[in-house]
Amino acid sequence: DGGITQSPKYLFRKEGQNVTLSCEQNLNHDAMYWYRQDPGQGLRLIYYSQIVNDFQKGDIAEGYSVSREKKESFPLTVTSAQKNPTAFYLCASSILPPPAYNEQFFGPGTRLTVL
Amino acid sequence: GQQLNQSPQSMFIQEGEDVSMNCTSSSIFNTWLWYKQDPGEGPVLLIALYKAGELTSNGRLTAQFGITRKDSFLNISASIPSDVGIYFCAGLYKGGSEKLVFGKGTKLTVNP
Repeated sequence: DGGITQSPKYLFRKEGQNVTLSCEQNLNHDAMYWYRQDPGQGLRLIYYSQIVNDFQKGDIAEGYSVSREKKESFPLTVTSAQKNPTAFYLCASSILPPPAYNEQFFGPGTRLTVL
Repeated sequence: GQQLNQSPQSMFIQEGEDVSMNCTSSSIFNTWLWYKQDPGEGPVLLIALYKAGELTSNGRLTAQFGITRKDSFLNISASIPSDVGIYFCAGLYKGGSEKLVFGKGTKLTVNP
């Protein structure tokens, strides 16, 4: 089955520690995205990548870092510089070129809790 | 940045009733997407709209791309308990980058 996987589903970390969230897709999609979701809020874009070895900051990139060494993988690191890291993190992917690339498909999410 | 105003924020309905929700913006959009999110899960794409005036159905769901290109509507007919969840609109606005803008969601509760 093709899809997007995120692991782990739940993650607990102590304040001050960096943590890396995994996102893998086998849909052969070129573009991948990371979003943050807080209760009662819409999704806010952290980083996105349209091609291997290239990525751009989204609206709330501060305190986060990413890499795109392989087409199917787009890990997100939440660093100790992120002031409020507890949230639900969603990874998504989409095909290029347009217009189909606008349809983003989401993984199941990782809930990060910083203690 | 651009904003989408999604309403209502929440709805409480009886099973069998029809539901309507919408998203509006002051900006012109080229694409509208509607997603449903179950608790603790990722959003699932329901309907994609690409043309002004376009009306698209997916089972009991119908969505429309507003003629002004500044709004979109989602209707659910004959609601059932499994329709419970949060519905999000998302759009790609004219003159913007390839980044989607999301509404804050409509939380739907269906009473059996």
